[in-house]
Amino acid sequence: AIQLTQSPSSLSASVGDRVTITCRASQGISSALAWYQQKPGKAPKLLIYDASSLESGVPSRFSGSGSGTDFTLTISSLQPEDFATYYCQQFNNYPRTFGQGTKVEIK
Amino acid sequence: EVQLVQSGAEVKKPGESLKISCKGSGYSFTSYWIGWVRQMPGKGLEWMGIIYPGDSDTRYSPSFQGQVTISADKSISTAYLQWSSLKASDTAMYYCVRRDGSGHYLDYWGQGTLVTVSS
Repeated sequence: AIQLTQSPSSLSASVGDRVTITCRASQGISSALAWYQQKPGKAPKLLIYDASSLESGVPSRFSGSGSGTDFTLTISSLQPEDFATYYCQQFNNYPRTFGQGTKVEIK
Repeated sequence: EVQLVQSGAEVKKPGESLKISCKGSGYSFTSYWIGWVRQMPGKGLEWMGIIYPGDSDTRYSPSFQGQVTISADKSISTAYLQWSSLKASDTAMYYCVRRDGSGHYLDYWGQGTLVTVSS
């Protein structure tokens, strides 16, 4: 199975900060990567698909980039509602796999 | 509006069987894959498997193959996840998810079903 390694596992940031989360795949997955946001007690929500396509209704401060094995999720200006855990997921191979998550906390 | 509505929380004893459900609405149920994702307490997301209700084609993660059964009843637009003999380690939140039609990402999520297995 393809392993996805996210870094960092957690980070502290302030409102207005630029935040970058990385996701590295154990083998190439083209652009078959999605990013999800999960808030406490809630189901995850799709943010980015195909590595860089913004899901409808998601604020433009979220962006994704990368292909092959290295991917990033960037939040250009962190807002209070963005404090959450973020997961990457690959859909190039079965079984589909998730990264271990990155928790974004308030500094 | 696309909705995935899951059955309610369950409390079971080890060794008992269980079947939880996920009803899809607002779209053509037989045209989209439906999957299940596990989240153990305080942990990350784990992809369990997926089924195409149109023909019941099913794929499992090796970690869950033989441990659970995924099925669907297209006549009532409902997918299922079942266990024949629960273990304490099955305690988790389970989410049903819809796979996008043209892509393979998970575009809609159910609200989750909490399964607690305790003696």
